Amino acid sequence: KNQVEQSPQSLIILEGKNCTLQCNYTVSPFSNLRWYKQDTGRGPVSLTIMTFSENTKSNGRYTATLDADTKQSSLHITASQLSDSASYICVVMGNNNDMRFGAGTRLTVKP
Amino acid sequence: NAGVTQTPKFRVLKTGQSMTLLCAQDMNHEYMYWYRQDPGMGLRLIHYSVGEGTTAKGEVPDGYNVSRLKKQNFLLGLESAAPSQTSVYFCASSSADIPRSTDTQYFGPGTRLTVL
Repeated sequence: KNQVEQSPQSLIILEGKNCTLQCNYTVSPFSNLRWYKQDTGRGPVSLTIMTFSENTKSNGRYTATLDADTKQSSLHITASQLSDSASYICVVMGNNNDMRFGAGTRLTVKP
Repeated sequence: NAGVTQTPKFRVLKTGQSMTLLCAQDMNHEYMYWYRQDPGMGLRLIHYSVGEGTTAKGEVPDGYNVSRLKKQNFLLGLESAAPSQTSVYFCASSSADIPRSTDTQYFGPGTRLTVL
């Protein structure tokens, strides 16, 4: 079983709408949790990086939250744009030099 | 400043052939990584390097070798390609040890490899 589970697998929303992507993990203890955006045919690009003591971090229209007690993180996208269409990957970094990538959520924003 | 570049972008091999993937970064980063990405799965670490002349195994190192003769380059070799190595390969770099730091990890554009 993957130690980082993302949901939903895919999501379609209309331009201008908000959405929330989920990441549940079992990696423990962990150093930090990251969200990446990956456009089709490109490499992942870092959106946010949170340590276990941080509850929320924003990057423009992207806001990540972290609940270390329940081992859950979410990525909220506000006022979606067509350019937000991409895969969003959650990565949990374990303290023992361990990196665990989720399989990603494929987001499609339609006009 | 090109960031992280990968060569080639696409490649088709026959089973048993060998090839080398080249990764180059111009950010003077100490740490470099090779990952593979398969459909429905998260990226998996193949090998990594913590500095020039050093390499270490990641999660899925079998069938691959690496070398870091120059700080800016990290090479991934397949000695005898197998269909199971069909994947998209990503190189990444960072200035600090990623799992233990909050440093940003920069990824290249990927190499799509098909082994027939």
